[in-house]
Amino acid sequence: AQRVTQPEKLLSVFKGAPVELKCNYSYSGSPELFWYVQYSRQRLQLLLRHISRESIKGFTADLNKGETSFHLKKPFAQEEDSAMYYCALSPMNSGYSTLTFGKGTMLLVSP
Amino acid sequence: DAMVIQNPRYQVTQFGKPVTLSCSQTLNHNVMYWYQQKSSQAPKLLFHYYDKDFNNEADTPDNFQSRRPNTSFCFLDIRSPGLGDAAMYLCATSPGHGNQPQHFGDGTRLSIL
Repeated sequence: AQRVTQPEKLLSVFKGAPVELKCNYSYSGSPELFWYVQYSRQRLQLLLRHISRESIKGFTADLNKGETSFHLKKPFAQEEDSAMYYCALSPMNSGYSTLTFGKGTMLLVSP
Repeated sequence: DAMVIQNPRYQVTQFGKPVTLSCSQTLNHNVMYWYQQKSSQAPKLLFHYYDKDFNNEADTPDNFQSRRPNTSFCFLDIRSPGLGDAAMYLCATSPGHGNQPQHFGDGTRLSIL
């Protein structure tokens, strides 16, 4: 069975500070990892996926298979980054995504 | 704008009274999913359809059922809601190939009186 762990319920930083939202997973096969974000009063939406290796809104995440981690990072947080962030895993060879979510981390960026 | 639409946004029902939540999509995606999300918890997959093929998660209670009459619509039926079924219910879709990301609706918040 797969599991996604986000150890922090809440992360509070000041504008301009670096941010790292932690995500660890357990899965015996090859995973695909995603970060989804939910801004206030908006729907859950994809932020980035590890397979794309891109930076979205200044966020990056690197899959570390040795540490089974997929931490989300941003060097300088902005107030508009305040949101709920969910890490999610899907088996790589499933053909289509079937997601297992972590419990989420609320990021609050203060001015 | 192509999207996933859930109706209603808020649903109130009585203990034991059947309730149906609906989801429609204009993305023409093959896969439709239903998740349950309780307060401060992760969204939990209940079941999904790949086209007309139904896939139930092992721990989804029998009280929860789903119908997909066509590509665009998918329904979540709760036969006899209990107090523990109060939650946000999220519908999502994905193309069905290449492990593409899922697209979510706004959710329906279900309350049980």
